[in-house]
Amino acid sequence: EVQLVESGGGLVQPGGSLRLSCAASGFTLSTYAMGWVRQAPGKGLEWVSSIDNSGVITYYADSVRGRFTISRDNSKNTLYLEMNSLRAEDTAIYYCAKISTVTAQFDYWGQGTLVTVSP
Amino acid sequence: DIQMTQSPSTLSASVGDRVTITCRASQSISSWLAWYQQKPGKAPKVLIYKASSLESGVPSRFSGSGSGTEFTLTISSLQPDDFATYYCQQYNSYSRAFGQGTTVEIK
Repeated sequence: EVQLVESGGGLVQPGGSLRLSCAASGFTLSTYAMGWVRQAPGKGLEWVSSIDNSGVITYYADSVRGRFTISRDNSKNTLYLEMNSLRAEDTAIYYCAKISTVTAQFDYWGQGTLVTVSP
Repeated sequence: DIQMTQSPSTLSASVGDRVTITCRASQSISSWLAWYQQKPGKAPKVLIYKASSLESGVPSRFSGSGSGTEFTLTISSLQPDDFATYYCQQYNSYSRAFGQGTTVEIK
């Protein structure tokens, strides 16, 4: 059974940093591209970042480029999102999601981890 | 970047109704479109991929159509479990933008 479990969320001050982790099980992480999606309280879904299966190619939303870094450790079956220079508008639930190989949709999602940026 | 626009934002319907949600892309995305369902406090769940392919395990009352810039999600006969928020998402380009969502409410 595919499982994605996010961790690392919490309360952080504006300008601070946080690293999110996503532990994958039930599939071979190194075969799949992965992504992060966030959802601010009461708002819609926002794609944040994606990474190819080897970790070489990364993409970012304009809202986080230069502040967030996506990475992966396939040997540890873990996806990461390093978040720096955090702003109040980064407050959201952050979901990691697996990307289907051939048809490329987000086919499995974690339960999410809440990041709150507040003084 | 490609922008996705859904309509309506909110839809009130009754059990048994046929429901249609529209999603428009700011430029052609071929058939690289997915539809997701999200219930309060839960992660999204994929319903349709490649514009019209039904994800495994999803009831056949859900269907998708369209290509290029105009897409629709149809629920043929609305069931109590279908009251939720629905999002389209393009993945033709790297940005993977979502529509703003359509909430299906009980009439």
